[in-house]
Amino acid sequence: EAGVVQSPRYKIIEKKQPVAFWCNPISGHNTLYWYLQNLGQGPELLIRYENEEAVDDSQLPKDRFSAERLKGVDSTLKIQPAELGDSAVYLCASSLRTSGHNEQFFGPGTRLTVL
Amino acid sequence: SQELEQSPQSLIVQEGKNLTINCTSSKTLYGLYWYKQKYGEGLIFLMMLQKGGEEKSHEKITAKLDEKKQQSSLHITASQPSHAGIYLCGAASNWGKLQFGAGTQVVVTP
Repeated sequence: EAGVVQSPRYKIIEKKQPVAFWCNPISGHNTLYWYLQNLGQGPELLIRYENEEAVDDSQLPKDRFSAERLKGVDSTLKIQPAELGDSAVYLCASSLRTSGHNEQFFGPGTRLTVL
Repeated sequence: SQELEQSPQSLIVQEGKNLTINCTSSKTLYGLYWYKQKYGEGLIFLMMLQKGGEEKSHEKITAKLDEKKQQSSLHITASQPSHAGIYLCGAASNWGKLQFGAGTQVVVTP
């Protein structure tokens, strides 16, 4: 069974440029998460989807970040324009459902460097 | 929001020795996850604890949950090079949101 797939693995851009990350969760997983991980810190939730609905985007900086999961399967996270402080690893995770306690499966992440 | 403090921040252990990592929460723990992360990779699930006093083991890794102390510990017996990495604890809310600690970096020397 394929795990959570993310692309690209690495991205280097100049500040003020747009960037997009793609995530394909494990087949059958209804819940999808995007996390931000800064160096030396644990992941922080940006947004959580239940199928195609964003049910928690309170931590998403909406002035420059946007996300979509149009068909309730794969998802895209976009930053426009990118700032130097956005350099981090962006992790995608998925789980079967949100109720109760369910293991979240993580992708390898996209390492973003903003110059 | 719930805050998790992990200790130590990093540790160096000689191969074959034991090690323990602690994770302390500022609030009641409803569920505690342990993950391992290697540099440049995603998080790998180790185990999940839900009940006070619960203890789980997998190979040489044992995790315990002390609900009263709002604390969990991860113990590795007879460490091996494959145990090197960053260990993260995550506290779960009722609807599954994970709040992570900053992680503990483990280095295993020959």
